[in-house]
Amino acid sequence: DIQMTQSPSSLSASMGDRVTISCRASQSISNYLNWYQHKPGRAPKLLIYAASTLHGGVPSRFSGSGSGTDFTLTISSLQPEDFATYYCQQSYSSPPYTFGQGTKLEIK
Amino acid sequence: QVQLQESGPGLVKPSETLSLTCTVSGGSINTDDYNWSWIRQRPGKGLEWIGYIFKSGSTYYNPSLKSRVIISVDMSKNQFSLKLSSVTAADTAVYYCAREGPGGSGTYDSWGQGTLVTVSS
Repeated sequence: DIQMTQSPSSLSASMGDRVTISCRASQSISNYLNWYQHKPGRAPKLLIYAASTLHGGVPSRFSGSGSGTDFTLTISSLQPEDFATYYCQQSYSSPPYTFGQGTKLEIK
Repeated sequence: QVQLQESGPGLVKPSETLSLTCTVSGGSINTDDYNWSWIRQRPGKGLEWIGYIFKSGSTYYNPSLKSRVIISVDMSKNQFSLKLSSVTAADTAVYYCAREGPGGSGTYDSWGQGTLVTVSS
């Protein structure tokens, strides 16, 4: 299986900050990379698919970049509702599609 | 806007079978566009894909769980279900149902909120 490694595992930031979360794949996955936001007790939400395409309804302060093995999720200006755990997930080739271990974004 | 909701027992005894159902509303499960998946998150671990079913009934399971998993679909109720047999404490997790698509893209665009299943005697 393809291993996905996120960094950092947790992050403290303030409202209005620019935040970057990294995700690395154990082999090249082209641009088959998705990002999800998850809040406790809620359904996870798809934010970005194909590495950089914003899912419908997702605010433009979220952006994704990268290809091959290295990917980044950026939030340009943190809002109160952005404090959550973020997961990357590869959808390259056939299942099982694997997830990163998550990055918990907390208020500083 | 499609919505998914998991249901089932929150406590299962070791060696027994875990059974969960996902009810889909706001859209039909009888579509060529999507696969219907189960994903879990064990305590302190990342998300783990369990398997999916297509409307035809064809399935694909995670090889690590394949010997114990059955996913089925009930079109008349717009539901799909998960059975995981011979459970142990290691199967304690929050279980999510999710829609994958379109076209088996591996992208999960709708999720249920999850249900905690504890395996304990």
